Amino acid sequence: DSGVTQTPKHLITATGQRVTLRCSPRSGDLSVYWYQQSLDQGLQFLIQYYNGEERAKGNILERFSAQQFPDLHSELNLSSLELGDSALYFCASSVGRVDTQYFGPGTRLTVL
Amino acid sequence: AQSVTQPDIHITVSEGASLELRCNYSYGATPYLFWYVQSPGQGLQLLLKYFSGDTLVQGIKGFEAEFKRSQSSFNLRKPSVHWSDAAEYFCAVAEGPSNFGNEKLTFGTGTRLTIIP
Repeated sequence: DSGVTQTPKHLITATGQRVTLRCSPRSGDLSVYWYQQSLDQGLQFLIQYYNGEERAKGNILERFSAQQFPDLHSELNLSSLELGDSALYFCASSVGRVDTQYFGPGTRLTVL
Repeated sequence: AQSVTQPDIHITVSEGASLELRCNYSYGATPYLFWYVQSPGQGLQLLLKYFSGDTLVQGIKGFEAEFKRSQSSFNLRKPSVHWSDAAEYFCAVAEGPSNFGNEKLTFGTGTRLTIIP
């Protein structure tokens, strides 16, 4: 158990819908990262927050957004969902700057 | 931008045999290097990491990796594999201390390890 929690574990929804994925980092970790794992794209970095502020952006679609709250948990919002958004979404956390990232168990999103 | 290559998509090894998984990275400055393992339906577990110092690093579950700057490699090894080592293994690189504010991990495509009795 990494100490990073993600909910829900599975999510099945329809095209055009909007979903919210939630992540709670390890106690004391200030950085939260979101990654997407799909068969065709592999593991891709989406976005990073540090202590409530956006730190870095990767290959994140405009339909996707994220935020980190004062209690340091983070949410990833995916809207206007398409079939191709079906993937495993991971959250990771670390203490601060470049440091070991600990991954949560992931949320498997299926868009039908 | 950094990149990671794992040339072996799938490797099959007999239980008790030695293992080496290859990883090559591309990054101009000092990289931070990681190996993660993912069991089916599970998240990513850190096996080991290299930040600096001794180029041979020890990890969990009996794994080790050697950083070779001249070859831009960070290969993962285990002297004797167990059936429970069957999983997908990912090499990852992060930009080192020279680039503040960009701590994302760039992953390779992974190597699937199958263990045969």
